Amino acid sequence: QKEVEQNSGPLSVPEGAIASLNCTYSDRGSQSFFWYRQYSGKSPELIMSIYSNGDKEDGRFTAQLNKASQYVSLLIRDSQPSDSATYLCAVSRRTNAGKSTFGDGTTLTVKP
Amino acid sequence: GAGVSQSPRYKVAKRGQDVALRCDPISGHVSLFWYQQALGQGPEFLTYFQNEAQLDKSGLPSDRFFAERPEGSVSTLKIQRTQQEDSAVYLCASSLAGGDGQPQHFGDGTRLSIL
Repeated sequence: QKEVEQNSGPLSVPEGAIASLNCTYSDRGSQSFFWYRQYSGKSPELIMSIYSNGDKEDGRFTAQLNKASQYVSLLIRDSQPSDSATYLCAVSRRTNAGKSTFGDGTTLTVKP
Repeated sequence: GAGVSQSPRYKVAKRGQDVALRCDPISGHVSLFWYQQALGQGPEFLTYFQNEAQLDKSGLPSDRFFAERPEGSVSTLKIQRTQQEDSAVYLCASSLAGGDGQPQHFGDGTRLSIL
């Protein structure tokens, strides 16, 4: 079992809908949580970071963290075709000097 | 520079050859990470530098892999006697400082193909 688990997808949503991406992790000592977007053939690009339980909103993106359930999610509102990409969840312990453990990503397709 | 720069973007080598991959982090970033990403998978940690010190090399797959950052800026990942299983995208990332959950900024990677 991987330390960070994501549904591989593909997840397909119509344009304008809400896309919900989920991630679970096994290390209870994890303290920092990140969502990266990766377009095909490109490098991961940070879109959200969250450090405490609850919701964090940034534009159309909302990250949700529940440390008790070891669960972090990303909601994308008003999905656009340009949101079509692979979304990587990453977790780290601050004592690990920022070393991140990544899931294998969920591929999202937004259909016009 | 504005972002993390990696070179070459693509590298093709024959099995058994040595290769060297370069990473130029964002200016002023203390922490530098190397990751290996296989097709369809997330990045896997290889090694971490804080300035010139290699603080964690637990992810290096074998002693054929070697990384250095002698002056605390540019880093080189060297793979000796390459094998086909070394074929992957090698990503470099930097962050302002490690140990506090700082997000990492990635370069575009080097796609390595071993024939």
